[in-house]
Amino acid sequence: KAGVTQTPRYLIKTRGQQVTLSCSPISGHRSVSWYQQTPGQGLQFLFEYFSETQRNKGNFPGRFSGRQFSNSRSEMNVSTLELGDSALYLCASSLTDGGTDTQYFGPGTRLTVL
Amino acid sequence: AQKITQTQPGMFVQEKEAVTLDCTYDTSDPSYGLFWYKQPSSGEMIFLIYQGSYDQQNATEGRYSLNFQKARKSANLVISASQLGDSAMYFCAMREGHDNFNKFYFGSGTKLNVKP
Repeated sequence: KAGVTQTPRYLIKTRGQQVTLSCSPISGHRSVSWYQQTPGQGLQFLFEYFSETQRNKGNFPGRFSGRQFSNSRSEMNVSTLELGDSALYLCASSLTDGGTDTQYFGPGTRLTVL
Repeated sequence: AQKITQTQPGMFVQEKEAVTLDCTYDTSDPSYGLFWYKQPSSGEMIFLIYQGSYDQQNATEGRYSLNFQKARKSANLVISASQLGDSAMYFCAMREGHDNFNKFYFGSGTKLNVKP
């Protein structure tokens, strides 16, 4: 079974631009979560989607948004990019939204904002 | 209070020796899961091992075992016979069974360096 895939793997943008990152979960997985990882802040939870509904959201400004499609694929959008948005963005999928399901991560998208 | 605490920012271990990475957690939920992930320099988070709060025995997966001490709220990862490829960041994580659907709490990580 294929793992979690994320595209693109690397991205360079300039301040003020917007960016869309894509995540395809493991087949059959219905929950997708997004994380931002930076050297200074560590791993921070962005949001989680299940069955096209956002179930959880971390403490990030409204510039960060996401959505999930009926096939469970998810996209994350960041508008009006700032230098501090440079980070590794990780997507993770799990089978359901309940219990103690394991999250499986994709390879990440490394975003650099110049 | 921190949900997951990893007190060792960095550790060194000699190749072929065993190493223990510490993790303590904080929850009042009786149902929870504990996870360990490995993150090599490439960035991908690799799932290693899982322990459920109701599991009677410590989880094991190959060279990885989880030393689960429920009363002390600790879930230490033990890597036996360390290999050079084990050099990476290791994250401890927890998911509570009934709260905040699918929200994982991660620790700050431990950077493990395996010396030849």
